[in-house]
Amino acid sequence: AQKITQTQPGMFVQEKEAVTLDCTYDTSDQSYGLFWYKQPSSGEMIFLIYQGSYDEQNATEGRYSLNFQKARKSANLVISASQLGDSAMYFCAMRDFSGGSNYKLTFGKGTLLTVNP
Amino acid sequence: NAGVTQTPKFQVLKTGQSMTLQCAQDMNHEYMSWYRQDPGMGLRLIHYSVGAGITDQGEVPNGYNVSRSTTEDFPLRLLSAAPSQTSVYFCASSKTGLAYEQYFGPGTRLTVT
Repeated sequence: AQKITQTQPGMFVQEKEAVTLDCTYDTSDQSYGLFWYKQPSSGEMIFLIYQGSYDEQNATEGRYSLNFQKARKSANLVISASQLGDSAMYFCAMRDFSGGSNYKLTFGKGTLLTVNP
Repeated sequence: NAGVTQTPKFQVLKTGQSMTLQCAQDMNHEYMSWYRQDPGMGLRLIHYSVGAGITDQGEVPNGYNVSRSTTEDFPLRLLSAAPSQTSVYFCASSKTGLAYEQYFGPGTRLTVT
């Protein structure tokens, strides 16, 4: 079974609007970490935001926030006030430990976000 | 700080050739890993290491070898290149633990003909 599922291969949003990128995960651990990375067309991987499984508050970093719903095992990324520079591939990822995971970072397949002017 | 460096940036190999992708980090991170990125597949883990002298397989290890003789370096060896190994390869490092993000190198674009 996939550990990280991103169901939206592509998303479009108008500049200045908000957009939500979906991510669901699967783990039997109680302790785990959830991450979002951005990959622009230039190819580098940029860390955006982190959420720990025991964090009571949703993580925020500037225009990025993580809508963490533990019972649903979802960790959606919300980008507010989209900018043209937000056009990129976005990856959700998880680190857990048990089942031989050993803190490995497992990635979803990504969502390609296009911001329209 | 240089962060995570990878060489080369681009490489073309013929089927059957071998080569080593170099990765180095200067952040004293225990944890290092290699991923390959193919269209529509996300990043898939090839091998990882939790410290010098300790390596383990990831999701797609076949055809690749690694070693970790120092904390800083984590080379990836392609033993006999195949067209299926055409991909973009990323090296990453981090502290060991659930809460630490991985820092990625710039990637190596490998083409096997």
